[in-house]
Amino acid sequence: TQLLEQSPQFLSIQEGENLTVYCNSSSVFSSLQWYRQEPGEGPVLLVTVVTGGEVKKLKRLTFQFGDARKDSSLHITAAQPGDTGLYLCAGVNYGGSQGNLIFGKGTKLSVKP
Amino acid sequence: ETGVTQTPRHLVMGMTNKKSLKCEQHLGHNAMYWYKQSAKKPLELMFVYNFKEQTENNSVPSRFSPECPNSSHLFLHLHTLQPEDSALYLCASSQLSGTDNSPLHFGNGTRLTVT
Repeated sequence: TQLLEQSPQFLSIQEGENLTVYCNSSSVFSSLQWYRQEPGEGPVLLVTVVTGGEVKKLKRLTFQFGDARKDSSLHITAAQPGDTGLYLCAGVNYGGSQGNLIFGKGTKLSVKP
Repeated sequence: ETGVTQTPRHLVMGMTNKKSLKCEQHLGHNAMYWYKQSAKKPLELMFVYNFKEQTENNSVPSRFSPECPNSSHLFLHLHTLQPEDSALYLCASSQLSGTDNSPLHFGNGTRLTVT
């Protein structure tokens, strides 16, 4: 069974701090997606990383796909209360059923003002 | 309305009740999905419909019955549920284009409590 392990499970920080969350697997994925889910809402796609070693930036968020396409990280600079939410990574299998993403359990981030 | 809309937002039902969850997408996508989100577990894919045809059924108990009358609407019919079925049920859609990277667009979910 393919698994995506996300760490840490919970993270509570003060506004202005930096943080990194991780998404790791023993399996290789063709691409990896990051979603953010705010309380009472569904997940919203932040980014898709496709190429091994790829780095993508979305304002204060930096996403990296591992060279071996087995892991990914999300770094947030100068976190703000609006960054609070559940961060989910989801791996796309090579040749897998379309739409059959493998999700991690998520990292629950709380940014206090 | 835009995006993916789910109703109701909250549902409390007894184990002998029959109820239905509704999902509608206004994005022109060709695939729709039901996911189950429980505390401390990854999102679990339940059903996939591609051009109205069911293409995935991940060993879901028969007390959950999906229906997709057209590419914009998706239902989940619930019957004789168990308390462990209490969870957030998320509907999603995507545009399948021959690659595996199609992102999912989720609704805000139905919070189901089975008593």
